[in-house]
Amino acid sequence: GAVVSQHPSRVICKSGTSVKIECRSLDFQATTMFWYRQFPKQSLMLMATSNEGSKATYEQGVEKDKFLINHASLTLSTLTVTSAHPEDSSFYICSVGQYFGPGTRLLVL
Amino acid sequence: AQSVTQLGSHVSVSEGALVLLRCNYSSSVPPYLFWYVQYPNQGLQLLLKYTSAATLVKGINGFEAEFKKSETSFHLTKPSAHMSDAAEYFCAVLHGSGNTGKLIFGQGTTLQVKP
Repeated sequence: GAVVSQHPSRVICKSGTSVKIECRSLDFQATTMFWYRQFPKQSLMLMATSNEGSKATYEQGVEKDKFLINHASLTLSTLTVTSAHPEDSSFYICSVGQYFGPGTRLLVL
Repeated sequence: AQSVTQLGSHVSVSEGALVLLRCNYSSSVPPYLFWYVQYPNQGLQLLLKYTSAATLVKGINGFEAEFKKSETSFHLTKPSAHMSDAAEYFCAVLHGSGNTGKLIFGQGTTLQVKP
């Protein structure tokens, strides 16, 4: 199966700043990747579908201008949390098909 | 729309006892179903998946699940629990197909294993 990595594994930032999270498919060319968010003690919620070479598809209720997704190559998708606020603190996980990355813990102070 | 429901947010068993984690699905088409395990502060590890082949699916770490269409269920079992099985477990259904389909998750079940 696909091997998926994420960077960074954890990040702390100040409120109002932007944070970029990378998701890489190490051994599989992925035209589609997925971004999920998981709050403590909760399940994974799909945020958006990242499409190589075209715009991402966002789930209902997810602000596309706040969570910018770029899928510039078949092995890399990035999620940028713009103007981060404490309520954006969460665990962000990407996937390639059924295979998941290790996740990125974001803490916004 | 496809969905899964996990019955029981918290299950506690003794070490060596049977593990049974329940998952029921709703789907208008033959579903592809998955079970994942998540350890604290880690991503999801695929335990097993059902893709319309054999109804009894064997996975890693001694887990297995049986697809029962008549009951719309896909319960996860393990004959003998080990302390290392303590984790969060998620059932999921694939919405769409292949690597472009998206996974819809259940609420999760926390498995506690007592010594």
